[in-house]
Amino acid sequence: AQTVTQSQPEMSVQEAETVTLSCTYDTSESNYYLFWYKQPPSRQMILVIRQEAYKQQNATENRFSVNFQKAAKSFSLKISDSQLGDTAMYFCAFMKRLGADKLIFGTGTRLQVFP
Amino acid sequence: DSGVTQTPKHLITATGQRVTLRCSPRSGDLSVYWYQQSLDQGLQFLIHYYNGEERAKGNILERFSAQQFPDLHSELNLSSLELGDSALYFCASSPGQGQGANTEAFFGQGTRLTVV
Repeated sequence: AQTVTQSQPEMSVQEAETVTLSCTYDTSESNYYLFWYKQPPSRQMILVIRQEAYKQQNATENRFSVNFQKAAKSFSLKISDSQLGDTAMYFCAFMKRLGADKLIFGTGTRLQVFP
Repeated sequence: DSGVTQTPKHLITATGQRVTLRCSPRSGDLSVYWYQQSLDQGLQFLIHYYNGEERAKGNILERFSAQQFPDLHSELNLSSLELGDSALYFCASSPGQGQGANTEAFFGQGTRLTVV
């Protein structure tokens, strides 16, 4: 069975600064996907970034980038130039490549961006 | 707007009752997933349908059932409701199942169920 662990329940950062959210996972699968989802107060789940495990290059989407360490089973999210609108819950999630039948989520990290 | 529509947005009902939550996937998406988000259990996968067929089950109670109709919309039925069933229920859709771009799941805004 796969598990996803987010060890930081809450984090805060000042506007324009950089913050890193941690995520570790456990799996015996060799091919899989990892995701970061954002859930703002509106409660909508929004995909922030996706990483394919067979790709060594770290994914980047504008101010969001990941540090994917496959051997260490670590998948952290870096938010650069933080904005007030980044305030939200962030969930790390895992999906196996074969079958792709479900997302397994971590418990989330609540990020507060303050002025 | 993700293109996934869930109704109703809010639902308040009494213990022992039965409710139906509805999900319309994005146009062209064949897969529908249901998730439950509660304070104590976090985000839990319930069930996955692909083109009308059940493909995977997660931690779904026997009191809960789902189906996907020929027009691809899906319904989640919750019966004999208990206080602990109070949660946010999400539907997500994706183009298919398998590899590549089909893995991106688009979420609806959820249905907030409160059992009193």
